Amino acid sequence: EAGVAQSPRYKIIEKRQSVAFWCNPISGHATLYWYQQILGQGPKLLIQFQNNGVVDDSQLPKDRFSAERLKGVDSTLKIQPAKLEDSAVYLCASPAGDTQYFGPGTRLTVL
Amino acid sequence: RKEVEQDPGPFNVPEGATVAFNCTYSNSASQSFFWYRQDCRKEPKLLMSVYSSGNEDGRFTAQLNRASQYISLLIRDSKLSDSATYLCVVNTGGFKTIFGAGTRLFVKA
Repeated sequence: EAGVAQSPRYKIIEKRQSVAFWCNPISGHATLYWYQQILGQGPKLLIQFQNNGVVDDSQLPKDRFSAERLKGVDSTLKIQPAKLEDSAVYLCASPAGDTQYFGPGTRLTVL
Repeated sequence: RKEVEQDPGPFNVPEGATVAFNCTYSNSASQSFFWYRQDCRKEPKLLMSVYSSGNEDGRFTAQLNRASQYISLLIRDSKLSDSATYLCVVNTGGFKTIFGAGTRLFVKA
């Protein structure tokens, strides 16, 4: 069974620029999470999808972050415009039962 | 108060030592509990689930005390390969999963 795929693995941008991340969860998994992990902290949930619907986006900074999962399979997370404090690893997770399977993450550096 | 709090660490221990990590959670309605391991610059991976009866997997033992809202992880006979960050994870129901900040472990030869 293939794991969670994410791209790009690394991204460096300047503040106020836009950036997008892509995630393809484990095949057949209806639930998909996006997490933000700042250096030295645990992952923080940004948004949860169930198929193509949003279950929880209470911690998503909606003034600059957006996410979609149009066909209920892969998902994109966008930041526009980026701030310095957005520098972090963005992790996508695909749960099976109680276990969360994470992708390798996208490491974003905002200069 | 943070929803999930862990020992700040880092823990520096010699090979063969026994080390214990503690974690507390604030939501008494929390339903399931886990320890994840995260290697440097890698994604978190499930280490073990935590049950009220306690559970053991080789050198690793996890305990849950619901009355005290406390979770622990004990690692016996530490190996160099155990060096990582250990994340305490609490599921409060409704798919809401909260990660602690993690405790870093360094095992030295």
